Amino acid sequence: NAGVTQTPKFQVLKTGQSMTLQCAQDMNHEYMSWYRQDPGMGLRLIHYSVGAGITDQGEVPNGYNVSRSTTEDFPLRLLSAAPSQTSVYFCASSYSRGAGQPQHFGDGTRLSIL
Amino acid sequence: TQLLEQSPQFLSIQEGENLTVYCNSSSVFSSLQWYRQEPGEGPVLLVTVVTGGEVKKLKRLTFQFGDARKDSSLHITAAQPGDTGLYLCAGGSNYQLIWGAGTKLIIKP
Repeated sequence: NAGVTQTPKFQVLKTGQSMTLQCAQDMNHEYMSWYRQDPGMGLRLIHYSVGAGITDQGEVPNGYNVSRSTTEDFPLRLLSAAPSQTSVYFCASSYSRGAGQPQHFGDGTRLSIL
Repeated sequence: TQLLEQSPQFLSIQEGENLTVYCNSSSVFSSLQWYRQEPGEGPVLLVTVVTGGEVKKLKRLTFQFGDARKDSSLHITAAQPGDTGLYLCAGGSNYQLIWGAGTKLIIKP
């Protein structure tokens, strides 16, 4: 049972570099989302998708892009990395967007921007 | 802006003790979820409560949703080292999930 798979687990970038964080789920979930987790701040929503071809911004979308070409995959792109984007990034999926739906999380990508 | 405040932020106790952590807001939520996160892993759902006053038990963990659906508590009886982790609450409202900052719990053997 793979669930939600995130790659890579760790990454170090230099300021200004770009990269893509990968996220894949095998539960046929319609709703997928990206969060960042910083100490003392909880989980903050970056972008989300309610289905293939449909994405929208969350609370902290600046500096990030997403796309959803398939139900399974939801990559997060950092356009030009900044030190403020140093964080742990989590991808999550759920059956639907409903607020009471259980969220299934990947194990995260730990990203450092130098 | 809806906020969920969790308290305490950090708790370190001995194995066998009881504890309660809290999740409070001034906003009403349609549901309240509790997650546990262990180091190097993503959060894992423990329970969802949806009715004001609802109480759910998961072995030694007891979850309660406030009557007004603005707050929730998690009580652990006879804590064990395996209970160590970050406990997160998340309130559901209008298709959004509002997350608390978490309570970091350490149970010492």
